[in-house]
Amino acid sequence: DTEVTQTPKHLVMGMTNKKSLKCEQHMGHRAMYWYKQKAKKPPELMFVYSYEKLSINESVPSRFSPECPNSSLLNLHLHALQPEDSALYLCASSRGGLETQYFGPGTRLLVL
Amino acid sequence: AQSVAQPEDQVNVAEGNPLTVKCTYSVSGNPYLFWYVQYPNRGLQFLLKYITGDNLVKGSYGFEAEFNKSQTSFHLKKPSALVSDSALYFCATNGAAGNKLTFGGGTRVLVKP
Repeated sequence: DTEVTQTPKHLVMGMTNKKSLKCEQHMGHRAMYWYKQKAKKPPELMFVYSYEKLSINESVPSRFSPECPNSSLLNLHLHALQPEDSALYLCASSRGGLETQYFGPGTRLLVL
Repeated sequence: AQSVAQPEDQVNVAEGNPLTVKCTYSVSGNPYLFWYVQYPNRGLQFLLKYITGDNLVKGSYGFEAEFNKSQTSFHLKKPSALVSDSALYFCATNGAAGNKLTFGGGTRVLVKP
């Protein structure tokens, strides 16, 4: 089973709202990732968690706040977003290091 | 720094014809190379990867890729394309950077009936 699930599938939020994206995997993977993808562009890495600790932050604005409550869950808390933050947000997981990353279906976010 | 390049924004092919999607890489050391496919409004699906060993890698859905060290290429191939193969394809590497995947710009494949 190589399934990564993400909720919600779609999200519309205003610039003053607070919302959260959720990602879950049950493959026993120890690394989890958040990517942002604009239309017809490659995914851009935002954050990497390794063994539930934040290991990479690609200089992401503080209005995006990641959280890894346990080894199976990854959240992305959103606050005071801008319209340019509208994108497909992808979660991925892997066994870590150079191992294959498996992606979820994504959450399509629209910021009004 | 590691990078991958996909020189074609779009590839058009007739159903039943061979499909090739090109990728070149620039990685220090021995590269780990991946191909992913993305269907509209979906996440990325893993197709195949090269780590070491045999230069011809077989993957999902009848796809294969050929690693060529002298040409620093990792082209994706399918002997007979299907209309359902129409999608966006990404080549990627994590080189020596471990967790950090670097993607090519993507190639849109359109298979016409």
